[in-house]
Amino acid sequence: GESVGLHLPTLSVQEGDNSIINCAYSNSASDYFIWYKQESGKGPQFIIDIRSNMDKRQGQRVTVLLNKTVKHLSLQIAATQPGDSAVYFCAENYGGSQGNLIFGKGTKLSVKP
Amino acid sequence: DTAVSQTPKYLVTQMGNDKSIKCEQNLGHDTMYWYKQDSKKFLKIMFSYNNKELIINETVPNRFSPKSPDKAHLNLHINSLELGDSAVYFCASSPVQTSDYKTQYFGPGTRLLVL
Repeated sequence: GESVGLHLPTLSVQEGDNSIINCAYSNSASDYFIWYKQESGKGPQFIIDIRSNMDKRQGQRVTVLLNKTVKHLSLQIAATQPGDSAVYFCAENYGGSQGNLIFGKGTKLSVKP
Repeated sequence: DTAVSQTPKYLVTQMGNDKSIKCEQNLGHDTMYWYKQDSKKFLKIMFSYNNKELIINETVPNRFSPKSPDKAHLNLHINSLELGDSAVYFCASSPVQTSDYKTQYFGPGTRLLVL
């Protein structure tokens, strides 16, 4: 599910299965990371974040893992539901006074009932 | 109740026209942003702004200009619209925190189509 090439990567899972969405970030100096969910016709919605001094953080049905050695971020969704169908973006904060974010290219998650 | 709102939701216009998109946030945030999302869903920062500093992405044409009448509003003016400006434009805001970590909250988007 990493964002490569010109097409939006797609991950298709069965309802009830676990989903893992991957992201490779670009800047080794980035110190804060966020996962966003974007449903069709809507704006990106915050899911979970993690700081660079952590390697794992859990939320409700979601877990984010951070591997700074290989600049890799993943989002795990437990017991995936049809309502989880959306495009998922990782974003990295490369610092600066405004806390600007760089977004990855997104992964489309499709959940089959 | 809407945290970050944008108007209009849809905007269809002719090439060469000048148009504005409005954004308002009721979260009390100090920093606001404009993003452009292309047909491939790629989100790219255009501007970030608070009452002290405007940061412009150097790739943004000067036909685009942000205007902030007050802390809760950041409008986007676009002059001489071109076909390539067709995209979804998102406004976002983030709070001032004592730490450097700023989560951004997005509006619903404005779908701009230039004919």
